[in-house]
Amino acid sequence: SAVISQKPSRDICQRGTSLTIQCQVDSQVTMMFWYRQQPGQSLTLIATANQGSEATYESGFVIDKFPISRPNLTFSTLTVSNMSPEDSSIYLCSGQGAQASNTEAFFGQGTRLTVV
Amino acid sequence: GENVEQHPSTLSVQEGDSAVIKCTYSDSASNYFPWYKQELGKGPQLIIDIRSNVGEKKDQRIAVTLNKTAKHFSLHITETQPEDSAVYFCAANKGTNAGKSTFGDGTTLTVKP
Repeated sequence: SAVISQKPSRDICQRGTSLTIQCQVDSQVTMMFWYRQQPGQSLTLIATANQGSEATYESGFVIDKFPISRPNLTFSTLTVSNMSPEDSSIYLCSGQGAQASNTEAFFGQGTRLTVV
Repeated sequence: GENVEQHPSTLSVQEGDSAVIKCTYSDSASNYFPWYKQELGKGPQLIIDIRSNVGEKKDQRIAVTLNKTAKHFSLHITETQPEDSAVYFCAANKGTNAGKSTFGDGTTLTVKP
């Protein structure tokens, strides 16, 4: 399956600042998604990153707080804006629709964010 | 929307024993059910999946069963090994967007040597 690299792997940020997380896939994928995983909990979908157009956000998540870019079929970014301690979480990028498998979804290693 | 319930939340077994994790889903339109293993500090890794047109799938020591009528599916790990210790997530998906899944809350599996 394709490999996803996320940067940074972890960060500690001051409240009120913003952090941009990068997601790079080693091959073209049809779909890319961003998830949030709070410590010890399950994965919650934030949005679908659409190539060349605005992301599609799930209920409870808005573009002003989590702007997403996807300029091509291998790269996406998620920005966590105006951070508060409640944003402390693991953020995961997921890809699906790689050449090897049309449906298998695979994940990056995650970005562990702590807001102080 | 879809709701996925997963049990148990924690499971401890002796090495060599079997482990079973069960999930139920609410949306009868769901037709793809992946299972992920997440080790500490890593992202979830797909270990097996099943589609609604089959009732069982096996891959070496891992098997998944699906009962569409009852809307539940289970993960079976036989001959468990300490390296099987991890958090396991089930998920349900309604379409070809396999990445847009609803996840269960996870099961922490501990295999004692």
